[in-house]
Amino acid sequence: AQSVTQPDIHITVSEGASLELRCNYSYGATPYLFWYVQSPGQGLQLLLKYFSGDTLVQGIKGFEAEFKRSQSSFNLRKPSVHWSDAAEYFCAVGAKIYNQGGKLIFGQGTELSVKP
Amino acid sequence: EAGVTQFPSHSVIEKGQTVTLRCDPISGHDNLYWYRRVMGKEIKFLLHFVKESKQDESGMPNNRFLAERTGGTYSTLKVQPAELEDSGVYFCASSQAPGQGIGAGELFFGEGSRLTVL
Repeated sequence: AQSVTQPDIHITVSEGASLELRCNYSYGATPYLFWYVQSPGQGLQLLLKYFSGDTLVQGIKGFEAEFKRSQSSFNLRKPSVHWSDAAEYFCAVGAKIYNQGGKLIFGQGTELSVKP
Repeated sequence: EAGVTQFPSHSVIEKGQTVTLRCDPISGHDNLYWYRRVMGKEIKFLLHFVKESKQDESGMPNNRFLAERTGGTYSTLKVQPAELEDSGVYFCASSQAPGQGIGAGELFFGEGSRLTVL
């Protein structure tokens, strides 16, 4: 079955510390891969996406993610966390099929808290 | 440019009542999606409109849910009659190009409509 697993439900890091959020997927073929963020009172915002090519992708707000095919993983990283990064983060996959790419499968989300 | 707008932001109803959620996509976006997040669970796809046509409604839970997109502009999602398990946050998203494939646009999400069924 197709699924996305985010093993960490809640993570707390200190401001300025590095961050890594884990994401593993189970899919028939290599899908499109996404990370979304939802800040309080906001909609889901796309942080970054992987379609093909370079396996290290850069996103907005200083985030990056690395696709590892052998591990079926797409972990999100940031070298130095800011208090404004406190939010819920969602990993998602989408099919590489015309007109079906918007039918995403999401992980359960990781809530990030940032300590001052 | 206005983003995806959803209302109401929060609705509290009793079991057996009817609720209608509305989504206004970004102007010019032909693709409109509905997703739902039940408490503590992952966000799940409900259905996909291309203009006024239902492209894929494989995620709709049952026939108590009815989605429409008259004229290919805004969309409504009606739940009738509502059950306790329908509680959750309903997200709408829109995109200009088909899906998320290469050359396609990203999904833009609204803030969600929280539904509480008592």
